[in-house]
Amino acid sequence: DGGITQSPKYLFRKEGQNVTLSCEQNLNHDAMYWYRQDPGQGLRLIYYSQIVNDFQKGDIAEGYSVSREKKESFPLTVTSAQKNPTAFYLCASSIGRQAQETQYFGPGTRLLVL
Amino acid sequence: RKEVEQDPGPFNVPEGATVAFNCTYSNSASQSFFWYRQDCRKEPKLLMSVYSSGNEDGRFTAQLNRASQYISLLIRDSKLSDSATYLCVVNKGHSGNTPLVFGKGTRLSVIA
Repeated sequence: DGGITQSPKYLFRKEGQNVTLSCEQNLNHDAMYWYRQDPGQGLRLIYYSQIVNDFQKGDIAEGYSVSREKKESFPLTVTSAQKNPTAFYLCASSIGRQAQETQYFGPGTRLLVL
Repeated sequence: RKEVEQDPGPFNVPEGATVAFNCTYSNSASQSFFWYRQDCRKEPKLLMSVYSSGNEDGRFTAQLNRASQYISLLIRDSKLSDSATYLCVVNKGHSGNTPLVFGKGTRLSVIA
């Protein structure tokens, strides 16, 4: 089955801890994206990558880091510098390198702070 | 003016009704427009792209008005399964490399 997978479905973080959210796609898509969604809010772009070994900050990159070492994978690390990390995190991908193209989403990871 | 603005609703309509949502965007240079559907606690899924000439997919019709900078979505013969939040999505600017911006969504409840 082709698609985008995210793991884990739920993640709990202790204060001061870094955690990494996984995003993998086997669609052979060039571009990948990370969004954060808070209750009753729209999606906000954290980081995006249009090509391997390159990525750009989105609107709310502070407190987050990413890497794009493989085309299929775009992990997101939520660092201790992110003071309000509780949210629904969504990973997406698009076929080409144009950031305006149709995006397809994974099922998301819910991050909760203990 | 917000980049993408939608009426949050909720819109509560009976089965079989026709319902329309509007969305306004601030950047006149935007080129890409979409409607996504998001079910409760799920990921957004593409409903349809919006083209300048307007487009229709079954019971769903999308229109773009560039002069007034708004996009509309019309749902005819509403089904219970149409209950969801509908997200208006626009790219930020004239370059093909500008990311998408998601509206906060309009919530629709179709009632039996």
